[in-house]
Amino acid sequence: AQSVTQLGSHVSVSEGALVLLRCNYSSSVPPYLFWYVQYPNQGLQLLLKYTTGATLVKGINGFEAEFKKSETSFHLTKPSAHMSDAAEYFCAVSEGATSYGKLTFGQGTILTVHP
Amino acid sequence: DGGITQSPKYLFRKEGQNVTLSCEQNLNHDAMYWYRQDPGQGLRLIYYSQIVNDFQKGDIAEGYSVSREKKESFPLTVTSAQKNPTAFYLCASSILAGFTDTQYFGPGTRLTVL
Repeated sequence: AQSVTQLGSHVSVSEGALVLLRCNYSSSVPPYLFWYVQYPNQGLQLLLKYTTGATLVKGINGFEAEFKKSETSFHLTKPSAHMSDAAEYFCAVSEGATSYGKLTFGQGTILTVHP
Repeated sequence: DGGITQSPKYLFRKEGQNVTLSCEQNLNHDAMYWYRQDPGQGLRLIYYSQIVNDFQKGDIAEGYSVSREKKESFPLTVTSAQKNPTAFYLCASSILAGFTDTQYFGPGTRLTVL
């Protein structure tokens, strides 16, 4: 069975500082991994995804994530935070065909950016 | 523009009433999904459908029902059997269920049961 743990329900950074949001997963097969962002009272928007190939994945808005199999992690980073990055971020895992494409989401991390 | 629409954005119902949430997509996607979102709990899968006239229960299907009569539409009914229906409901779709394709989400419906 697949599962996701996001470490830290709230993360606060200053504008211009590094953003690091942590995600660890559990999967019985090679996973597909996703990061989504949600602004208040809106749906989710895909930031980036890892399926196969290069383990460092670049996404929209300057975000990137690195798949580390040995650590079962897929942490999300951005070198310099912007006020517009304030939102809730969700990590998700899929076992592909094994799970019929179903996504399992973490509990979410709310990112606050201070001026 | 292609996308997923959910209506209404806000919905208020009295306890004991059934209510149906609409989800329509014009992306020609095969698979559609319904999730429930509660604060601090992430998203939990209610039902999903890979093809027309077929759907499967997700992790929290009790008290909910769905239909998939058309490829574009996947309405969710919250029945009176659902003990705590107040939540934010999100519909999603993807090209092919079971593979690497991204799920695209609608804007959500916030249901409040009074």
